[in-house]
Amino acid sequence: QQQVKQSPQSLIVQKGGISIINCAYENTAFDYFPWYQQFPGKGPALLIAIRPDVSEKKEGRFTISFNKSAKQFSLHIMDSQPGDSATYFCAASVDSGYALNFGKGTSLLVTP
Amino acid sequence: NAGVTQTPKFQVLKTGQSMTLQCAQDMNHNSMYWYRQDPGMGLRLIYYSASEGTTDKGEVPNGYNVSRLNKREFSLRLESAAPSQTSVYFCASSDGESYNEQFFGPGTRLTVL
Repeated sequence: QQQVKQSPQSLIVQKGGISIINCAYENTAFDYFPWYQQFPGKGPALLIAIRPDVSEKKEGRFTISFNKSAKQFSLHIMDSQPGDSATYFCAASVDSGYALNFGKGTSLLVTP
Repeated sequence: NAGVTQTPKFQVLKTGQSMTLQCAQDMNHNSMYWYRQDPGMGLRLIYYSASEGTTDKGEVPNGYNVSRLNKREFSLRLESAAPSQTSVYFCASSDGESYNEQFFGPGTRLTVL
């Protein structure tokens, strides 16, 4: 049973546009929500993460928005660049636990 | 500082053959993990080791065994490979403290014919 649902499966954005990827979860015990970025042939790497005590976290062009009541969180990539073309995974875990529950991933293509 | 390393990078097996995937980390992390990645399925946890000397099943453990050899190394063994085990396998590690940031290796692409 997928504990974190991610959409869309794929996304095409023009250079300079905003890329938005959404995730939803059911387990209210989750209290850590990271996003991972994966380039072809490489392992995933942590991009940005948020805890539910804040509604937004920004790092450069990347922003996580978090809606605790709706049990949803999203990644916004501002001024998207061709170098951002990658697969993005959202995940969720319980702080004291060990398992990261991953979404199925979004393949992002930023066109020149 | 190499981070998480995995060997081999690629492997082709015949059905029924066995093999061991090796993983090592040099970050002095307590926890280590094995995931498999299949198209459209995301990353699924096979086994993890919260600390040296302990291992636990993840979401998809059937057909696999693991060994936490020491703090640095965590191996994944396929005793009798099946075509359904064709996948990309990732090892990861974390310090086991709060927020569980996991660092991933480059992966092993395994094909079972």
